[in-house]
Amino acid sequence: DTEVTQTPKHLVMGMTNKKSLKCEQHMGHRAMYWYKQKAKKPPELMFVYSYEKLSINESVPSRFSPECPNSSLLNLHLHALQPEDSALYLCASSQDGGFNYGYTFGSGTRLTVV
Amino acid sequence: DAKTTQPTSMDCAEGRAANLPCNHSTISGNEYVYWYRQIHSQGPQYIIHGLKNNETNEMASLIITEDRKSSTLILPHATLRDTAVYYCIVRAPGGNAGNMLTFGGGTRLMVKP
Repeated sequence: DTEVTQTPKHLVMGMTNKKSLKCEQHMGHRAMYWYKQKAKKPPELMFVYSYEKLSINESVPSRFSPECPNSSLLNLHLHALQPEDSALYLCASSQDGGFNYGYTFGSGTRLTVV
Repeated sequence: DAKTTQPTSMDCAEGRAANLPCNHSTISGNEYVYWYRQIHSQGPQYIIHGLKNNETNEMASLIITEDRKSSTLILPHATLRDTAVYYCIVRAPGGNAGNMLTFGGGTRLMVKP
């Protein structure tokens, strides 16, 4: 298995809802990442997990809460989001920080906050 | 990590070579050049990387100038499926910051029939 699987592919949520995005990989990668991408903009790094521990948080608002339950799974819990949080949320994983083999990205969850 | 400069957009005829330039004039000695691409509605895809030697794989070739201040990604026979945004990224290994992949603006390549 050489893929990163993200679910759901599309999500519409209200500003008072709580929802979660899920990301899964079975490549044995020990680093996992969340990125946010607005339309026609490059992806922006949100969080980095290394060996299931949060190693980088790029000053992301607390309404986004990441979780890494095990080495194959990464969640992003969403609460009280704003319409401007509507974006494509991308998950990625890497074997060695991505230096020799690059990052493997999922296809993303397209989130709409109404 | 060093900053990169890429043209905003480029066109290429199908079947011809696509040459995508990237300027990284402030690159440090231990920084590698990476290329990713993002096809519409998909996540970015790793293409190739190099330090100072030219590199080739099944997807593309990477030519890095001798002074390492610029590079060119070559898609030898572009197809319509190569239409995507191509990102040139410079990064150094090691440390917490070395675990970050930061995307710049990229080049929007349109392959035309």
